[in-house]
Amino acid sequence: ILNVEQSPQSLHVQEGDSTNFTCSFPSSNFYALHWYRWETAKSPEALFVMTLNGDEKKKGRISATLNTKEGYSYLYIKGSQPEDSATYLCAFNTGTASKLTFGTGTRLQVTL
Amino acid sequence: GAGVSQSPSNKVTEKGKDVELRCDPISGHTALYWYRQSLGQGLEFLIYFQGNSAPDKSGLPSDRFSAERTGGSVSTLTIQRTQQEDSAVYLCASSLDQGQPQHFGDGTRLSIL
Repeated sequence: ILNVEQSPQSLHVQEGDSTNFTCSFPSSNFYALHWYRWETAKSPEALFVMTLNGDEKKKGRISATLNTKEGYSYLYIKGSQPEDSATYLCAFNTGTASKLTFGTGTRLQVTL
Repeated sequence: GAGVSQSPSNKVTEKGKDVELRCDPISGHTALYWYRQSLGQGLEFLIYFQGNSAPDKSGLPSDRFSAERTGGSVSTLTIQRTQQEDSAVYLCASSLDQGQPQHFGDGTRLSIL
């Protein structure tokens, strides 16, 4: 059974704070690691898909890193804004299975 | 529109009835996925279609659940003899190919009375 764990479960920061979340996944037979942002009343939106150990991706104020050997990925948000408030999901798939196994997410709330 | 379209957006039905949920993926996307999110739970994989290959049904929770994808495009998820524990948001996603970012629809909120 593949298990994807995310921490913290929830986070409350002030506008302008920088923050980061962790996603842990099984390191064997790794294929890809996905990050999604899910805002309330909307559908999940893809942020990054990472496949190579050491990958770093950036999209505006959001960036992510990947360590496939130890099985973790970090998502960073620099200078958080209220519009960053959402649940951030990571998901993992192996080379033998195309389905994504999702973590339960980190719920971020950014206040003024 | 250019996104993944799901219908209905909301469905309320009585326990024991059958329901059919529809997903219209992005044109040209070969991969199509169904997930559900029950209250307080994470996204749970249900089924995956890739081109003309046999679907991966490993996530379907019981034999009351089935899905098909006609002509490599529109998909329907059918739940027979619904139970209260089937109440959830059912999300469909599509991607250009396996391993590519998935594009999600807005979901169908299913409530079983």
